[in-house]
Amino acid sequence: DAGVTQSPTHLIKTRGQQVTLRCSPKSGHDTVSWYQQALGQGPQFIFQYYEEEERQRGNFPDRFSGHQFPNYSSELNVNALLLGDSALYLCASSLMVDSGGYSPLHFGNGTRLTVT
Amino acid sequence: DAKTTQPNSMESNEEEPVHLPCNHSTISGTDYIHWYRQLPSQGPEYVIHGLTSNVNNRMASLAIAEDRKSSTLILHRATLRDAAVYYCILRGTNAGKSTFGDGTTLTVKP
Repeated sequence: DAGVTQSPTHLIKTRGQQVTLRCSPKSGHDTVSWYQQALGQGPQFIFQYYEEEERQRGNFPDRFSGHQFPNYSSELNVNALLLGDSALYLCASSLMVDSGGYSPLHFGNGTRLTVT
Repeated sequence: DAKTTQPNSMESNEEEPVHLPCNHSTISGTDYIHWYRQLPSQGPEYVIHGLTSNVNNRMASLAIAEDRKSSTLILHRATLRDAAVYYCILRGTNAGKSTFGDGTTLTVKP
């Protein structure tokens, strides 16, 4: 049973460039959330996708955008990169449950983005 | 979003029980209490979750206070592999986002 997979594992970009990160959810999951984790801090919620739509968004600027495909995989795009965007970007999948709360999050091992 | 408060760090000896506390005084009635742990160079790993009753699984036990304003993750016999950052978060029925704090760094001494 494949868990959450993210690609690439590491990436180096220059300030002002654009980047696309990819995520395949755990088999059977339909919801994907993206998190940014700075060194020594907990993950910060960026946004969540379900049924190919952004459902929830954290406190991140419009430079951060995403997409979910019919097969539930997802992309995170960041435009006009800043040095402060350097972080570990985590993808988490879950199952949207209509009642009784949300299912647990299953995380990938992340993409380490370095902006120089 | 309801926030959680955890101690920055805790230490334990190998093969002894560990009790990791979490305060969530603003929890709402529909919020589930989730625990995750993160090993170095890995993404967070789901440990356990519950709503009102205490929960047990192969990894740990979760004790939830009667007023639900606090909870405790219990590792019954800590091993060196349990050394990690442990996060307590709340996940509600009407909110997809989950707020992580900085967690508790657990050090296990041999």
